Amino acid sequence: ETGVTQTPRHLVMGMTNKKSLKCEQHLGHNAMYWYKQSAKKPLELMFVYNFKEQTENNSVPSRFSPECPNSSHLFLHLHTLQPEDSALYLCASSQTTVNEQFFGPGTRLTVL
Amino acid sequence: SQQGEEDPQALSIQEGENATMNCSYKTSINNLQWYRQNSGRGLVHLILIRSNEREKHSGRLRVTLDTSKKSSSLLITASRAADTASYFCATDSGSYGKLTFGQGTILTVHP
Repeated sequence: ETGVTQTPRHLVMGMTNKKSLKCEQHLGHNAMYWYKQSAKKPLELMFVYNFKEQTENNSVPSRFSPECPNSSHLFLHLHTLQPEDSALYLCASSQTTVNEQFFGPGTRLTVL
Repeated sequence: SQQGEEDPQALSIQEGENATMNCSYKTSINNLQWYRQNSGRGLVHLILIRSNEREKHSGRLRVTLDTSKKSSSLLITASRAADTASYFCATDSGSYGKLTFGQGTILTVHP
């Protein structure tokens, strides 16, 4: 798990707050991903970045705003979230977009 | 609709027994991957099997792929209590990096 780190590990926020999730990979990979894991639902891909360019937005609401300043860092900016956005948010990286993905430990988000 | 569906949803076995989990999918794939997740934590990649492969091994893990039936199985031999986790299959259908995960199988191995 130390190859991909995520901060914070736990986050509680109100619906009017603005917060950011951070992901960093130390593996020299070129692709990074955000996933959402809700209870009783399959893991859902949110965004894909390849060489810092966004290549996939899986119909994610605009209250989730990703940012990839370089191949090692990925952020997910959150604003005016809803209680149903409470979930485990997982970051992953891979050497290229056709290789296996390495996941971080996740950020457990609770929206009040 | 989701691509991979695992069966069974939950499996409970004794240490030393073998565990078999199945995955079915709907569309053609480039590869199929199996991941493990310990409670509330990140996923760990186990095995990737390409569409032109039929079987792969890694330690106590054996994965098969039948593209004609659009199904895969994961066999864990001589299970240990530490194998207790959720196991997911994920399909790569060619939209680069876009893995589609199933609901997972919850495996419990009793000491």
